[in-house]
Amino acid sequence: SQKIEQNSEALNIQEGKTATLTCNYTNYSPAYLQWYRQDPGRGPVFLLLIRENEKEKRKERLKVTFDTTLKQSLFHITASQPADSATYLCALELNSGNTPLVFGKGTRLSVIA
Amino acid sequence: DAGVIQSPRHEVTEMGQEVTLRCKPISGHDYLFWYRQTMMRGLELLIYFNNNVPIDDSGMPEDRFSAKMPNASFSTLKIQPSEPRDSAVYFCASRAGTSGSNEQFFGPGTRLTVL
Repeated sequence: SQKIEQNSEALNIQEGKTATLTCNYTNYSPAYLQWYRQDPGRGPVFLLLIRENEKEKRKERLKVTFDTTLKQSLFHITASQPADSATYLCALELNSGNTPLVFGKGTRLSVIA
Repeated sequence: DAGVIQSPRHEVTEMGQEVTLRCKPISGHDYLFWYRQTMMRGLELLIYFNNNVPIDDSGMPEDRFSAKMPNASFSTLKIQPSEPRDSAVYFCASRAGTSGSNEQFFGPGTRLTVL
């Protein structure tokens, strides 16, 4: 069966450290993988998109990797801050454009000062 | 642009009642998506539209759920009759067409409680 799994429901780290979140999938062949941030009581907000032929993407303190052999994406936040505390969702887009996203359940990150 | 607008933000109703959720997508976006989010199942796609036409409604749980998009600036999701297991947060999202980004823009959601 098709599955998207995010490594843990919750992750606690110390301020200043690098947070690493994992997204694994089975029986999918995504064209794109996206990461979203969701704060309590709000809708998800887009952060980054990485294509199947890209290994790594960066945006400010964020870095995403995409390994289609391992069927895994890693999402890193460097120099984490308490303001980074939120739930992070990975989402697969199965074809290049015109298709909906399939979301993981998310990992709730808490950055402790 | 004000972003995706949803109403109401909160809805409490009794089992058996009809519930209508509303969404105004971002102007110019060709795609509109309805999702449901629960702790157990996460964010699930219910239905999506392209240029006001329903493309895939396979995520709609049962015949009690229906969705319409009468024009490019308005969509509704209706539950009739509602049941306690429908309690969830319902999100509407929109995105541009193939010439735009793949990014989806989500509304603030409607928290539905069915007693």
